[in-house]
Amino acid sequence: SYELTQPPSVSVSPGQTARITCSGDALPNQYAYWYQQKPGQAPVLVIYKDSERPSGIPERFSGSSSGTTVTLTISGVQAEDEADYYCQSADSSGTVVFGGGTKLTVL
Amino acid sequence: QVQLQESGPGLVKPSQTLSLTCTVSGGSSSSGDYYWSWIRQPPGKGLEWIGNIYYSGSTYYNPSLKSRVTISVDTSKNQFSLKLSSVTAADTAVYYCARGPNRWYFGLWGRGTLVTVSS
Repeated sequence: SYELTQPPSVSVSPGQTARITCSGDALPNQYAYWYQQKPGQAPVLVIYKDSERPSGIPERFSGSSSGTTVTLTISGVQAEDEADYYCQSADSSGTVVFGGGTKLTVL
Repeated sequence: QVQLQESGPGLVKPSQTLSLTCTVSGGSSSSGDYYWSWIRQPPGKGLEWIGNIYYSGSTYYNPSLKSRVTISVDTSKNQFSLKLSSVTAADTAVYYCARGPNRWYFGLWGRGTLVTVSS
């Protein structure tokens, strides 16, 4: 079955830039989406269609795509950004797939 | 402001059918602008898409669960529902309902409800 691969964890200091990658063979042909999930809460969409930001999401969140890898970038990381981040896309048959998640730690 | 709220039993016995309902408030489940979805998350683990439905009744299911899943919509009650049959302990998870502008992603989520499968 199709998989999206994310690093299990990323750590950054406040004010630095965090980059979380997501790799998958179908990503050149399918959009990627990113969700932020804080403990005990439902996920929140932070990026859609690779690089679009929903209203209400801070400008420090951005997304990019290159080949089979998409990247979520958080510029000027704040303590409140500490959370789990999930990428999501679809395989060639239309099945929605999530990555395994990346725990962002703000040091 | 549109909100989604999951409801249903928090404990289901093995081999039985898990049944959950998502109530849409502040909006309409009969809107052709959205797809309505179910996603689950086992404790301490990642997210798994279960399936989604359009207001017309068209459904799309995760192949890994397709034989056991039924998603339906009741536009008169502004609700959509999930049934998962023959459950085992592996189906223990927080179940989320969600809404998206198409069937590919989820812009609005409910708070989730924990369902435990245990005798």
